[in-house]
Amino acid sequence: AQSVTQPDIHITVSEGASLELRCNYSYGATPYLFWYVQSPGQGLQLLLKYFSGDTLVQGIKGFEAEFKRSQSSFNLRKPSVHWSDAAEYFCAVGLTTDSWGKFQFGAGTQVVVTP
Amino acid sequence: GAVVSQHPSWVICKSGTSVKIECRSLDFQATTMFWYRQFPKQSLMLMATSNEGSKATYEQGVEKDKFLINHASLTLSTLTVTSAHPEDSSFYICSAGQGETQYFGPGTRLLVL
Repeated sequence: AQSVTQPDIHITVSEGASLELRCNYSYGATPYLFWYVQSPGQGLQLLLKYFSGDTLVQGIKGFEAEFKRSQSSFNLRKPSVHWSDAAEYFCAVGLTTDSWGKFQFGAGTQVVVTP
Repeated sequence: GAVVSQHPSWVICKSGTSVKIECRSLDFQATTMFWYRQFPKQSLMLMATSNEGSKATYEQGVEKDKFLINHASLTLSTLTVTSAHPEDSSFYICSAGQGETQYFGPGTRLLVL
């Protein structure tokens, strides 16, 4: 069965510091991987996605993620966080290409940014 | 970019009543929409796939008679929680998209007393 694990429930980071959010997946076929961010009162926003090709993916808001098949990981990074990056981050696996929109989400990581 | 809206944003109801939640794609047509449920401090769980003009497809363990889904037009899907009970209290989120790009609504918080 597919699964997505985000080991860190909560991360606190200082503004300007680097951020890395971990994501591990278990999936039988080639995974379609996504990172979403959820801010209060707003819908989930897509940060980036990986389907194939270059394993380092660039996204919006200065985020990037690296797909490592050998480690079944898709970690999200940002070199220098801004206070506006405080939010909940979800890693997700696309369950099928027949019906985009069916996702298996990780439990989420809450990011707190301190001054 | 594309926007998906939900109405209402929050609702409080008495146990035993039914509640309808709307999901609209504002600037695109969606033959398929998705409904998720999110418990506090937990992940989103896919409930069902809403198909325009046909029956919804429910995920295992989701009661179709409890959570009625109607997708009457290419821009509107509704989720009705029938005979709601306190355990149905949750955050309900819909999504719709174009290809592999999905847009999520802001969610509807339901509290059943």
